[in-house]
Amino acid sequence: GENVEQHPSTLSVQEGDSAVIKCTYSDSASNYFPWYKQELGKRPQLIIDIRSNVGEKKDQRIAVTLNKTAKHFSLHITETQPEDSAVYFCAAPYGGFQKLVFGTGTRLLVSP
Amino acid sequence: DADVTQTPRNRITKTGKRIMLECSQTKGHDRMYWYRQDPGLGLRLIYYSFDVKDINKGEISDGYSVSRQAQAKFSLSLESAIPNQTALYFCATSDPYSGLAYEQFFGPGTRLTVL
Repeated sequence: GENVEQHPSTLSVQEGDSAVIKCTYSDSASNYFPWYKQELGKRPQLIIDIRSNVGEKKDQRIAVTLNKTAKHFSLHITETQPEDSAVYFCAAPYGGFQKLVFGTGTRLLVSP
Repeated sequence: DADVTQTPRNRITKTGKRIMLECSQTKGHDRMYWYRQDPGLGLRLIYYSFDVKDINKGEISDGYSVSRQAQAKFSLSLESAIPNQTALYFCATSDPYSGLAYEQFFGPGTRLTVL
């Protein structure tokens, strides 16, 4: 089955810096890679996703890149703000793409 | 707004007790999921259901059971709770017929403590 590894587990940056979170996956047939953001005490919510037919997708200050050959994808946050502080999860589909397997999460702390 | 709700939001129980966590949704989605979240372990799938007659085990189903009472309701039961089932539990839904077929919508979570 699919295995997703996520690094780092914690990441501290200064406001205005960039942050990068990386995930690797094992199933070369996977074709969809979402990122979820979970603020403290809240539910996870989808913030961006990418399908395997593109290498990069941007939405304002966040972007996701995908390297299918190396089987890894990354979340990039530019000009970080304190409200970006949260736990971020990557995921990949498995089981005939009916389910998602999640990474272990990255706690991002943005200091003013 | 269409939403996913969970009850109770917090529950403290004792070892050996049977408890039920409930999930309801007004999104009209066929697919529903139960996850548990533990620090450092992310979100792990317990059970999932693609319609009322379809129930499937996830990666960590031991010690849990589920019931899909209707399209909108999916309950998780712990038959005999044990302390290592202390965790944050999330219900989620998805719509296989939408353009975002894989996007999952999460409920607010239930924090369960087993003493």
